[in-house]
Amino acid sequence: SQTIHQWPATLVQPVGSPLSLECTVEGTSNPNLYWYRQAAGRGLQLLFYSVGIGQISSEVPQNLSASRPQDRQFILSSKKLLLSDSGFYLCAWSLKTMNTEAFFGQGTRLTVV
Amino acid sequence: AQSVTQLDSQVPVFEEAPVELRCNYSSSVSVYLFWYVQYPNQGLQLLLKYLSGSTLVKGINGFEAEFNKSQTSFHLRKPSVHISDTAEYFCAVSVGFQKLVFGTGTRLLVSP
Repeated sequence: SQTIHQWPATLVQPVGSPLSLECTVEGTSNPNLYWYRQAAGRGLQLLFYSVGIGQISSEVPQNLSASRPQDRQFILSSKKLLLSDSGFYLCAWSLKTMNTEAFFGQGTRLTVV
Repeated sequence: AQSVTQLDSQVPVFEEAPVELRCNYSSSVSVYLFWYVQYPNQGLQLLLKYLSGSTLVKGINGFEAEFNKSQTSFHLRKPSVHISDTAEYFCAVSVGFQKLVFGTGTRLLVSP
């Protein structure tokens, strides 16, 4: 069966520090991969999605970047964190079919102080 | 572009009462619709999905939703809620195979 791992679960970082969140998927190949951010009262905002290695689409301009160095690995990064980067970050994957749902990791709670 | 509207940010209800969480979508093409549930500090779990066929979709934990194309709605219902149903519920729409667009969520608060 497929599983998705996301770490760390919680993270407290000072403003201006770098960020690296990692997500890996097991049990499937060539998935679509996603990073979402959830801010209080604002629902889920799609940040990046990837349909293959090295292929990243950005949904909103921001202080973050994403990379997909391997088929089942998706990394969210920042060179210098801002206070506004605080939130709950969720990684997800889906199959490449028209009617598929997304499967989510457990999330990372990022607090920038 | 497709979008999802969840008008109710919070819905308080007593245990064993029925509940309906509203979701409206906008899209000019055929859509696939989903409801997810999120418990505190956890990821999202799929409750149910509408792909095609019967407009009444049954999901896990006794939830069901009805797809109404003319009203562009996909409301979630449960005839009798439990305390354990307290969570945040997200409606989502998928067009194509690349991404899901989510609503802003509805917090269901079940009290004894």
